[in-house]
Amino acid sequence: NAGVMQNPRHLVRRRGQEARLRCSPMKGHSHVYWYRQLPEEGLKFMVYLQKENIIDESGMPKERFSAEFPKEGPSILRIQQVVRGDSAAYFCASSPRTGTGELFFGEGSRLTVL
Amino acid sequence: AQTVTQSQPEMSVQEAETVTLSCTYDTSESDYYLFWYKQPPSRQMILVIRQEAYKQQNATENRFSVNFQKAAKSFSLKISDSQLGDAAMYFCAYRRGSQGNLIFGKGTKLSVKP
Repeated sequence: NAGVMQNPRHLVRRRGQEARLRCSPMKGHSHVYWYRQLPEEGLKFMVYLQKENIIDESGMPKERFSAEFPKEGPSILRIQQVVRGDSAAYFCASSPRTGTGELFFGEGSRLTVL
Repeated sequence: AQTVTQSQPEMSVQEAETVTLSCTYDTSESDYYLFWYKQPPSRQMILVIRQEAYKQQNATENRFSVNFQKAAKSFSLKISDSQLGDAAMYFCAYRRGSQGNLIFGKGTKLSVKP
């Protein structure tokens, strides 16, 4: 059973470009979460989605960031007009509708903004 | 708002010895989960152990055990017979109920000396 798949693993963008990060949850999981980890820091919650719905986006910056989880296909975290401060590791996690409470994490996508 | 505090930025243990990592949290909820995740240099987030708040018995997973003090809102992780492969960042995390996002502490970097 494949785990949470994230791609790309590494992404380099110049300031002002767009970054798109993709996440395919584990099979049978309908809940997706995005987290950001800055160097030497813990994971900060960004957004929680279910299929076609944003449930909690309280951790998302108000501008330039958006997320979706369409009916078909992976969840996408989109960062427009990237700045150097966006450089971080972005982790996706998934969970089933009911279960043991844990989140299952992908290996992360490392974004570097030049 | 719920918060998770790890007061030890770094810890060190001799191989085969025991080490305890501290974690406290703040919540007014009665139904929640607590977790310890391990993040090795590969950056993959790996679940170490999970505790449901309604369970009085402390969770145990092989060499890993917790001391869950609900009234004190304390959730420490004990690693027995430490191994070189235990060296990693350890994050304490809180989750309200079985849905919703995880809230992480800032982490403790554990070094294991041969």
